[in-house]
Amino acid sequence: EPEVTQTPSHQVTQMGQEVILRCVPISNHLYFYWYRQILGQKVEFLVSFYNNEISEKSEIFDDQFSVERPDGSNFTLKIRSTKLEDSAMYFCASSVLGQAVQPQHFGDGTRLSIL
Amino acid sequence: DQQVKQNSPSLSVQEGRISILNCDYTNSMFDYFLWYKKYPAEGPTFLISISSIKDKNEDGRFTVFLNKSAKHLSLHIVPSQPGDSAVYFCAARLIQGAQKLVFGQGTRLTINP
Repeated sequence: EPEVTQTPSHQVTQMGQEVILRCVPISNHLYFYWYRQILGQKVEFLVSFYNNEISEKSEIFDDQFSVERPDGSNFTLKIRSTKLEDSAMYFCASSVLGQAVQPQHFGDGTRLSIL
Repeated sequence: DQQVKQNSPSLSVQEGRISILNCDYTNSMFDYFLWYKKYPAEGPTFLISISSIKDKNEDGRFTVFLNKSAKHLSLHIVPSQPGDSAVYFCAARLIQGAQKLVFGQGTRLTINP
């Protein structure tokens, strides 16, 4: 069964450094998402992306965050200047459509640790 | 943000019996509800969903019930198996056309042999 893949599985970065998290969505999917889960808290929506632009974003997704689809297969999340509170599990997801009864399929996540 | 709540952080059920996981929501603009299962070190895996225009959806051992008047949904697993031990998340989507999912806190289900 096709799956969403994320790399790396664990990223350790110094505070203030830039980090890029990478995702390969399922090939025929058109909508892409990033979520995060801070330890002990809920899974939170960050951003959705369709047709090479952001279609929705949360208040968490401020100017320090950006997303990109640099080629036909990768979808990336960049954090420009990381803070301690960015430490979390980051999940990428994709779906065939953004509407109707099409579930989002998640990758196994990247654990981001900011020191 | 307490729009989707799972009030039981954990649940323990004997193998072969029914597991019932509950979820409450506050926003009547949710139109679509999903249940995800999550094992340690893995991402959430989609289990089953239900549209707000239905009150029941069944898929094998899994059934989701929706009570719109009570703003409550539940996931029934019958019979429960050891492989069902995981964290279960309830999620809801705001209005048709929006893509954002709002998650509950999760319930850790343990199936005892």
